[in-house]
Amino acid sequence: NAGVMQNPRHLVRRRGQEARLRCSPVKGHSHVYWYRQLPEEGLKFMVYLQKENIIDESGMPKERFSAEFPKEGPSILRIQQVVRGDSAAYFCASSPPTVPDTQYFGPGTRLTVL
Amino acid sequence: DAKTTQPPSMDCAEGRAANLPCNHSTISGNEYVYWYRQIHSQGPQYIIHGLKNNETNEMASLIITEDRKSSTLILPHATLRDTAVYYCIVRGMEYGNKLVFGAGTILRVKS
Repeated sequence: NAGVMQNPRHLVRRRGQEARLRCSPVKGHSHVYWYRQLPEEGLKFMVYLQKENIIDESGMPKERFSAEFPKEGPSILRIQQVVRGDSAAYFCASSPPTVPDTQYFGPGTRLTVL
Repeated sequence: DAKTTQPPSMDCAEGRAANLPCNHSTISGNEYVYWYRQIHSQGPQYIIHGLKNNETNEMASLIITEDRKSSTLILPHATLRDTAVYYCIVRGMEYGNKLVFGAGTILRVKS
């Protein structure tokens, strides 16, 4: 079974550009979570999505960040007009629709903003 | 979600058991104890979880005290590849609850 897939693994953007991070959950998992890990800091929750719905976005910055999990295809975390402070590792996790729903993480996308 | 307290770091000799403690004195009845680890530069890896009974899988054992206020993760035969940051997380049983990561315990396995 394939685990959570994230691409790209490394992404370099210049200030002001857009970054698009993709996450393909484990087959059969209908819940996706995004977490961010800033350099030398802990993992912080950003957003929780189910297919076509954002359930909890309490950890998302109010501006420039958006996430989606369409009916078909991967979940996308989009960062518009990136700034140097967006440089971080972004991890996606997926979980099945069971209780409790154990989250399984992907390898992450490392975003570097020049 | 209840808060957890873990020692910042521990050392363990290769081949010996690593016992990682976690205090969660404010845990409520519907909260699980989860353990994850993060090996340098990799995504967090799920290890094990439990509610009130001790649990064992191919990676580790989880011992939860009877009052559920603390737990211990046991890696029975630590190897160098077990060097990582280990996170103890308490999480409600409703699905969709986010994981709240603390600082964790840095486990260094030494030869």
